[in-house]
Amino acid sequence: KAGVTQTPRYLIKTRGQQVTLSCSPISGHRSVSWYQQTPGQGLQFLFEYFSETQRNKGNFPGRFSGRQFSNSRSEMNVSTLELGDSALYLCASSLGQASAYNEQFFGPGTRLTVL
Amino acid sequence: AQSVTQLDSQVPVFEEAPVELRCNYSSSVSVYLFWYVQYPNQGLQLLLKYLSGSTLVESINGFEAEFNKSQTSFHLRKPSVHISDTAEYFCAVRYTGGGNKLTFGTGTQLKVEL
Repeated sequence: KAGVTQTPRYLIKTRGQQVTLSCSPISGHRSVSWYQQTPGQGLQFLFEYFSETQRNKGNFPGRFSGRQFSNSRSEMNVSTLELGDSALYLCASSLGQASAYNEQFFGPGTRLTVL
Repeated sequence: AQSVTQLDSQVPVFEEAPVELRCNYSSSVSVYLFWYVQYPNQGLQLLLKYLSGSTLVESINGFEAEFNKSQTSFHLRKPSVHISDTAEYFCAVRYTGGGNKLTFGTGTQLKVEL
């Protein structure tokens, strides 16, 4: 069974640009969560999608948005990039129910560098 | 606010020595606790979890953690570390009512030396 895949793995952008990151969950998984990992702030929850609906949202500005498609693949978008958006963006998938018994599986991440 | 504290940012230890990585969380009625490990340039891998039942949980590679409700702690231990255990370890909490959202600690870099 293939794991969680994220594309691209590395990305370099300049300030003011926008970027779209993609996440393909494990087959059969319907929930996708996104996290931002930085040396200063650690791992922070961005949002969670389940059946194409945002189920939960972290404390990030509106420049950060996401969506989920009918095949459970998810994308996140960051508009008007700032230097502080440089981070490793991790995606995690799970079966879907908000149950701790459903393990979350993480992808390798997309490393975004903003110049 | 819900928070997870990992007091030690780095823990150096010699191979075959015991190690303890500390984790404390803000109190809540019901929590689920996790330890994840991250190797360089990789995502997070679940190491072990406490959901209910026995307060001592073990992983397949020799790590164990004990849930202590009165001290709101979930410390990770290994009696004898190996060089391959060098990685960053994250404690995470899932609070009931928060969906699949995980609240992470700031991580502890475990460096095993020969």
